[in-house]
Amino acid sequence: DAKTTQPNSMESNEEEPVHLPCNHSTISGTDYIHWYRQLPSQGPEYVIHGLTSNVNNRMASLAIAEDRKSSTLILHRATLRDAAVYYCILKIYAVGGGSQGNLIFGKGTKLSVKP
Amino acid sequence: DTAVSQTPKYLVTQMGNDKSIKCEQNLGHDTMYWYKQDSKKFLKIMFSYNNKELIINETVPNRFSPKSPDKAHLNLHINSLELGDSAVYFCASGRGGRETQYFGPGTRLLVL
Repeated sequence: DAKTTQPNSMESNEEEPVHLPCNHSTISGTDYIHWYRQLPSQGPEYVIHGLTSNVNNRMASLAIAEDRKSSTLILHRATLRDAAVYYCILKIYAVGGGSQGNLIFGKGTKLSVKP
Repeated sequence: DTAVSQTPKYLVTQMGNDKSIKCEQNLGHDTMYWYKQDSKKFLKIMFSYNNKELIINETVPNRFSPKSPDKAHLNLHINSLELGDSAVYFCASGRGGRETQYFGPGTRLLVL
């Protein structure tokens, strides 16, 4: 899986939007961009994923650059519960099992939310 | 209704012992995984397994072995525990190479 680069940490104020950047300049055409987060003392949880178009779900939005070399996870209104480590991961889309299903975690961005 | 569950939540044991961690998923997924998160919080894949194929991360010692009695379970057996095995172990499940994985709450292993 190709590598991603994220800031080590970011801070946000509660109820303000948060933009978490991710660079993936070596992304290939078959790589999907996935975001997971890990709240303190919990397992990672899926946030969102996309290929080329921007994506929205109940948790967040994913903005993907036109050249796909970077993306931004957007939390529209941060809450204290959003304080977590956010991981940007590139994953090959493949039917079936095997190593292509593995998630290769980087260091992620630790998001702190201030009341 | 817990999607991916692990037992025990905490495990404290002595060096040299053999221990097992159980994992169960009720999502009907065909692939299960084990990840290790060390003291520096790095998450690394250890195994991925479906009914056809076991993929082992080459860095995992052969003291670690996954056992799958059925599609819903992937247990992790560890022989001759060492101090460096202390970590949090996460089980996950998914539909093979597709989309999302669902993680369990983790098992915190401490080897004394």
